[in-house]
Amino acid sequence: EADIYQTPRYLVIGTGKKITLECSQTMGHDKMYWYQQDPGMELHLIHYSYGVNSTEKGDLSSESTVSRIRTEHFPLTLESARPSHTSQYLCASSNGNSAYEQYFGPGTRLTVT
Amino acid sequence: KNQVEQSPQSLIILEGKNCTLQCNYTVSPFSNLRWYKQDTGRGPVSLTIMTFSENTKSNGRYTATLDADTKQSSLHITASQLSDSASYICVVSDRGSTLGRLYFGRGTQLTVWP
Repeated sequence: EADIYQTPRYLVIGTGKKITLECSQTMGHDKMYWYQQDPGMELHLIHYSYGVNSTEKGDLSSESTVSRIRTEHFPLTLESARPSHTSQYLCASSNGNSAYEQYFGPGTRLTVT
Repeated sequence: KNQVEQSPQSLIILEGKNCTLQCNYTVSPFSNLRWYKQDTGRGPVSLTIMTFSENTKSNGRYTATLDADTKQSSLHITASQLSDSASYICVVSDRGSTLGRLYFGRGTQLTVWP
């Protein structure tokens, strides 16, 4: 079992609200990632980080933002949630490049009404 | 167009039976190929990871094969159990990135019936 945690697991929120999805890992991994996954579709990378104070946008454009102030913590924030943001958000971490394993958290299922 | 294609999209089998899932990819240059199992409402969990030089790798009742020449992989599940019901995702990474970026298939949804 990977030591990577996400909270909340489920979130239902109204349009226009600000939300933060939490992700923490205790493995000391440098690299962390956020993916978005819709039902029956592939995972899309929306943000990644090489390490502390490093954040980059991924392949899929997202209105969310991320921060990496501590190695173990990689929160994702939506300033103003919209129904189009309804999706599953998965956080992952790894200890190296593409040859290394990525460990995934359990995900946050977000529904914006 | 997705660079990782999986088939079938969904599959129903009876408990105790075997099955094989397919993955074709166009990702280049190739680094490695992974199979993940994703239970409903959970994050993916790695089953196997294979590099260019590996043809087959097993993890219990799961056996993955790789043909890097034809860019095809398969995941064979032996003596299926009810707990095997999940989405199985093929993931390919390339050698061109230091990030560890992965290309995901859409998964095969496997249902095992008693």
